[in-house]
Amino acid sequence: DGGITQSPKYLFRKEGQNVTLSCEQNLNHDAMYWYRQDPGQGLRLIYYSQIVNDFQKGDIAEGYSVSREKKESFPLTVTSAQKNPTAFYLCATLPGWATNQPQHFGDGTRLSIL
Amino acid sequence: GNSVTQMEGPVTLSEEAFLTINCTYTATGYPSLFWYVQYPGEGLQLLLKATKADDKGSNKGFEATYRKETTSFHLEKGSVQVSDSAVYFCALSPVPSSNTGKLIFGQGTTLQVKP
Repeated sequence: DGGITQSPKYLFRKEGQNVTLSCEQNLNHDAMYWYRQDPGQGLRLIYYSQIVNDFQKGDIAEGYSVSREKKESFPLTVTSAQKNPTAFYLCATLPGWATNQPQHFGDGTRLSIL
Repeated sequence: GNSVTQMEGPVTLSEEAFLTINCTYTATGYPSLFWYVQYPGEGLQLLLKATKADDKGSNKGFEATYRKETTSFHLEKGSVQVSDSAVYFCALSPVPSSNTGKLIFGQGTTLQVKP
């Protein structure tokens, strides 16, 4: 089946630790996105990538890093510099960057602080 | 800048009631507009979309019409079911000349349908 796989579903971070969230897609989509969701605030864009080996900061990139070494994969690292990492993280993809096409979303990773 | 404003929730309805969730937007030109639905613990699923003025998107009994004159994209359903309980997000994709595929989301509206 074509789709987006995010793992793990739940993740716990200790103080001072970096953690990496996985996002893998087999839709052959060019563009990939990471969003953060907090209660009552909707979704906010962290990073996005339109092509392999290139990515751009979104609205709340501080404390996060990404890589795009393969078309299928766009991992997100939550660094120790992110002081409030507890949130629901969603990965999305888009074929090319066609504006009238909807983004496709994974099922998310819920990150909590231990 | 681009923005989306949704009515605050939660919206609580009885089964078979009529649903309206208001969504208004601010954007230059003619953005594409979307409604997404999120069930508990899951990601977002596209519910419907409209790409130009006066387009009506529809799916699973839900409808929304792209109104350029009022910059609105209100979501409606004639008869809600308990299974429609979820969070609903209105979103826009800016015009092509400035677009990177990014979506601008409203804050989400929680719908609770009681039997």
